Amino acid sequence: KAGVTQTPRYLIKTRGQQVTLSCSPISGHRSVSWYQQTPGQGLQFLFEYFSETQRNKGNFPGRFSGRQFSNSRSEMNVSTLELGDSALYLCASSSMGKLFFGSGTQLSVL
Amino acid sequence: QKEVEQNSGPLSVPEGAIASLNCTYSDRGSQSFFWYRQYSGKSPELIMSIYSNGDKEDGRFTAQLNKASQYVSLLIRDSQPSDSATYLCAVNTAFKAGTALIFGKGTTLSVSS
Repeated sequence: KAGVTQTPRYLIKTRGQQVTLSCSPISGHRSVSWYQQTPGQGLQFLFEYFSETQRNKGNFPGRFSGRQFSNSRSEMNVSTLELGDSALYLCASSSMGKLFFGSGTQLSVL
Repeated sequence: QKEVEQNSGPLSVPEGAIASLNCTYSDRGSQSFFWYRQYSGKSPELIMSIYSNGDKEDGRFTAQLNKASQYVSLLIRDSQPSDSATYLCAVNTAFKAGTALIFGKGTTLSVSS
């Protein structure tokens, strides 16, 4: 069974731009979560989608948004990028409460 | 503010020794507890899950849970250099539904040969 697939692997953006990251979950998994990982704050929960609906949301500003499609694929969008948004963004699909992570998208904001 | 606390380390053990990793959590409503391993430059990988008080063993790994003390631990027996990684403790939140884990910042383990 293929794992969680995230694209792109690396991104470089400048302040003020917006970015869209993509995630394809493990086949059969209907829940997709997004996390931000930074050296200072560690792994922080952004949001979770299930059957195209946002089920849970973490404490991030509204610039961070996401959506899920009918095939369970998910995208997250960050608008008006700030330097502090530089991080590894990890997508995870879940089954039985367990998270399985993709390889992540490393975002650098210059 | 729901929190998960871990010693950042590094925890250094010789090859063949037992490595003991600890984690405390603040949300008494948490029901599911996980240990993830993250190698440098890689994404976290689930290695253990535990849901009830006591011990759960899987190969060289043993997870221990004490809900009264709000404490989770991971023991790695016969530690190998390949176990050198950052170990993340994760706890579910008492959200209405779904999977929203709170992670500790991780403990870095170094196993020397």
